[in-house]
Amino acid sequence: QVQLQESGPGLVKPSGTLSLTCAVSGGSISTDDWWTWVRQSPGKGLEWIGEIHHAGSTHYNPSLTSRVTMSLDKSKNQFSLRVTAVTAADTAVYYCARVGGTTAFEPRLDYWGQGTLVTVSS
Amino acid sequence: ETVLTQSPGTLSLSPGERATLSCRASQSVRSSFLAWYQQRPGQAPRLLIYGASSRATGIPDRFSGSGSGTDFTLTISRLEPEDFALYYCQQYLSSPRTFGPGTKVEIK
Repeated sequence: QVQLQESGPGLVKPSGTLSLTCAVSGGSISTDDWWTWVRQSPGKGLEWIGEIHHAGSTHYNPSLTSRVTMSLDKSKNQFSLRVTAVTAADTAVYYCARVGGTTAFEPRLDYWGQGTLVTVSS
Repeated sequence: ETVLTQSPGTLSLSPGERATLSCRASQSVRSSFLAWYQQRPGQAPRLLIYGASSRATGIPDRFSGSGSGTDFTLTISRLEPEDFALYYCQQYLSSPRTFGPGTKVEIK
C-alpha cells in the first residue's frame, strides 16, 4: 500500500517562497512513473499544479509555471514543491499524489496524501 | 487547455436513489484518459473510476462510469449515506491535467 505524507510550513509571508515535501512509503519514486501536486483553495475545486517523472522531467500548469519548481530526492524517497512570490491567492490545501497507470495508458491519481494547509499571510 | 464542465452543480437526492453526474470536455478526450474522484468533507480526494469506466480498487459496484469523446457520465446506482460528497472528473490527455469544477451530491 502506497502512502504519501505532505510536510512543510503552514504559514508563508506574502512574496515569500512556499516549500513542501511529500514523503513516499510503500512505493518508489525511483521507479514509479510520475508524481504530482494538486491544490485546493478554501471552498474551491481542485487545481493541478504539475507533475514530475522519476527521471526528473516535469510538466507544470501554465498558470503557475513561472513560479513553480518540482524536484526529487531519491535518497529519501520524497519529492518536493516550491512556489515563489506567493500571494493570498496561493492559500490552499496542497496535496501530493501518485500517478498510477502510465501517461500513455489509463493514467490516474491513485494514491493521495492527506493534504496540508498553507496560508499566505503577514 | 482542455476545459471540463460538470453538471449539475448540485444534485439533491435521497438515499437509495440513482445519481447521474455529467462531465463534458471542450475537446475530445480518449476514454483512457478520463478519471473520476470523490471528496468527502475534510478528506483528500479518492479515485473512483479511471479509463472512463474501470473501477478503482475497493470501489463498490454501485459506482459506474461511461462515455467517450467529449461526454462522460458517473452513475451511482443506489445512493448510500456515505456517497453524499463532491465528485470531480479529470482529464489526463493533455497538459495541464484539468479537473472539472465538481458536482455536489447532497441529501434531499
